Amino acid sequence: SQTIHQWPATLVQPVGSPLSLECTVEGTSNPNLYWYRQAAGRGLQLLFYSVGIGQISSEVPQNLSASRPQDWQFILSSKKLLLSDSGFYLCAWSTTVAEAFFGQGTRLTVV
Amino acid sequence: KQEVTQIPAALSVPEGENLVLNCSFTDSAIYNLQWFRQDPGKGLTSLLLIQSSQREQTSGRLNASLDKSSGRSTLYIAASQPGDSATYLCAVRKGGGSEKLVFGKGTKLTVNP
Repeated sequence: SQTIHQWPATLVQPVGSPLSLECTVEGTSNPNLYWYRQAAGRGLQLLFYSVGIGQISSEVPQNLSASRPQDWQFILSSKKLLLSDSGFYLCAWSTTVAEAFFGQGTRLTVV
Repeated sequence: KQEVTQIPAALSVPEGENLVLNCSFTDSAIYNLQWFRQDPGKGLTSLLLIQSSQREQTSGRLNASLDKSSGRSTLYIAASQPGDSATYLCAVRKGGGSEKLVFGKGTKLTVNP
C-alpha cells in the first residue's frame, strides 16, 4: 500500500533562517506531488506541484522554492524565512487524475 | 478560474442527526470531486472520490452526490456521532486531466453528545 511521510510535525524558526521540509512517498511510482499551505480563514493554497523528477510548477510568487531530487521525494525550501511564511504545510500525492492523499502536515511558526 | 464554495462555514448538531454539507463550484468542466476530513492540527483524510460521470458515492454512513451541470455536490452524513466532529473540505479537479485540485474553505462540523 502507498504511504506518505512528512516531517517535522512542528517547527519554530527565527525570521531570516533557512527552511527545509521533506515529503516522501512509498508504494507508488511516478506520482504527482504537491505542496499546499493552509492559513487560518484562507483555505488550502497550492504552492507547488511536480509531475516528475526535476519538474516543478509554481503557483504563486513567494519566498519559497521546491525541488524533486528523487521520484519519491519532494522538498520545500526557503533561504530566508519571513513572518508571513508561518502556516500549516501539507504534502500530497496522486496519480494523474485519481484520488489525492495527504501527509500529516508541518506546523511552521516563524518568530 | 475555478472557485469552490462551502456552505455553511460551521455547523453544530446534536448526536444522531442526519446532516448535509454543501459544496458548489463555478466551472462545471471538472474531472472529479473529492471530499476530505481534517481533524484539528492534522492532515487531510480522503473520504470519497466522485468521477464526473458518476452521480454519487457511498462509504458507510457517508454519501456524496454530484450534479456537475449545476456545479454542486453534497455530503450526507447519517446518524451523526461526536467522532464525526471535524472540518470537511471538498476539492475539484479540472477537466482534461489537470494535476491541480482546487479546494473550498471547508465546513467545521461539531456533533454534540
